[in-house]
Amino acid sequence: SQTIHQWPATLVQPVGSPLSLECTVEGTSNPNLYWYRQAAGRGLQLLFYSVGIGQISSEVPQNLSASRPQDRQFILSSKKLLLSDSGFYLCAWSVGGHQPQHFGDGTRLSIL
Amino acid sequence: GQQVMQIPQYQHVQEGEDFTTYCNSSTTLSNIQWYKQRPGGHPVFLIQLVKSGEVKKQKRLTFQFGEAKKNSSLHITATQTTDVGTYFCAGPWDNFNKFYFGSGTKLNVKP
Repeated sequence: SQTIHQWPATLVQPVGSPLSLECTVEGTSNPNLYWYRQAAGRGLQLLFYSVGIGQISSEVPQNLSASRPQDRQFILSSKKLLLSDSGFYLCAWSVGGHQPQHFGDGTRLSIL
Repeated sequence: GQQVMQIPQYQHVQEGEDFTTYCNSSTTLSNIQWYKQRPGGHPVFLIQLVKSGEVKKQKRLTFQFGEAKKNSSLHITATQTTDVGTYFCAGPWDNFNKFYFGSGTKLNVKP
């Protein structure tokens, strides 16, 4: 069966520090991969999605970037975090377009 | 771009009462998905509706897709405390690879 791993579960970072969040999927090949951000008590904002290795689509221009170095690995990065980057970051995968998305447990990021 | 609006934002019910959340799109949707997020958890896929006028049931949950494929609803009969959480609808956005999530309806059930 397919599983998705996302880490770390929580992270506290100072303003201006770098960020790297990792997500890996097991049990499937060539999945669509997604990064979402959820502010407290709010909906899900799509940040990036990828349909294949090295293919990244950015939805919201900001100081975040994403990379997909391997088929089942999706990384969210920032060179310099802002206070506004705080939130709940969720990685998700699907077998393809219009298919159900399966989410990881998320990372709660607090910026001090 | 397309938007998916969801109402109400919050709903507080007594255990045993019914609950309904509504999802409306400005454009015709090829399909719509529903997710549930428990407090502190991640969204979990519930169901996908594809056909115009489609109705699907999962125990006490009834999902409906409008005839014009622009709206959808989730109805829970006789709520239980285990139903607590935020319910999101999601519709395909611009292309086949991304979905736009509604703002969600947060359900609180008082025992």
